[in-house]
Amino acid sequence: DVKVTQSSRYLVKRTGEKVFLECVQDMDHENMFWYRQDPGLGLRLIYFSYDVKMKEKGDIPEGYSVSREKKERFSLILESASTNQTSMYLCASSSSGQGADEQYFGPGTRLTVT
Amino acid sequence: GESVGLHLPTLSVQEGDNSIINCAYSNSASDYFIWYKQESGKGPQFIIDIRSNMDKRQGQRVTVLLNKTVKHLSLQIAATQPGDSAVYFCAEAKAAGNKLTFGGGTRVLVKP
Repeated sequence: DVKVTQSSRYLVKRTGEKVFLECVQDMDHENMFWYRQDPGLGLRLIYFSYDVKMKEKGDIPEGYSVSREKKERFSLILESASTNQTSMYLCASSSSGQGADEQYFGPGTRLTVT
Repeated sequence: GESVGLHLPTLSVQEGDNSIINCAYSNSASDYFIWYKQESGKGPQFIIDIRSNMDKRQGQRVTVLLNKTVKHLSLQIAATQPGDSAVYFCAEAKAAGNKLTFGGGTRVLVKP
């Protein structure tokens, strides 16, 4: 079974702090994604990566950056956390094979910025 | 612009009845559609998908219907069970790349 793990289930940070959210997948997937989930807004794509050291902006990249130094790990970075970044953050991965558009999600990290 | 939306934010269903969750999309270039189920405290889980060259696909107790003429997608759950209580998301993707655009979600509540 595909397993996507996220470093924390719950995180509380102060405004202005630098925050790292880690995601690891064990299926050798090429593609990895970071979303945030807010009530009534569904899932919105922040950044994604199709390969090691490669990143592309999603729909809402402002205030975030990412790092993909190894194939299995995709990190989301909040350089200076703000209260409007309080949200549920979901990581996903998928294979780049033909027909393999299904994304596998981690359990999520609920981040609160105070 | 492209968008994926849902008609009903909450759907209450009697146990044993069939459920129908609807989704509208606006991007006629989308090639791939997918339904996810998200239970409380968990990440979304894949239910079923369909490509634009099909209009119906069946899984175990679930059926996805695609009407490209009116840009409408639906998920039918047969004999709804308490374990089906969750939030359901539809998503679409263009043919190129693997980027999904998600709808806002519909909560399904199954009444015993």
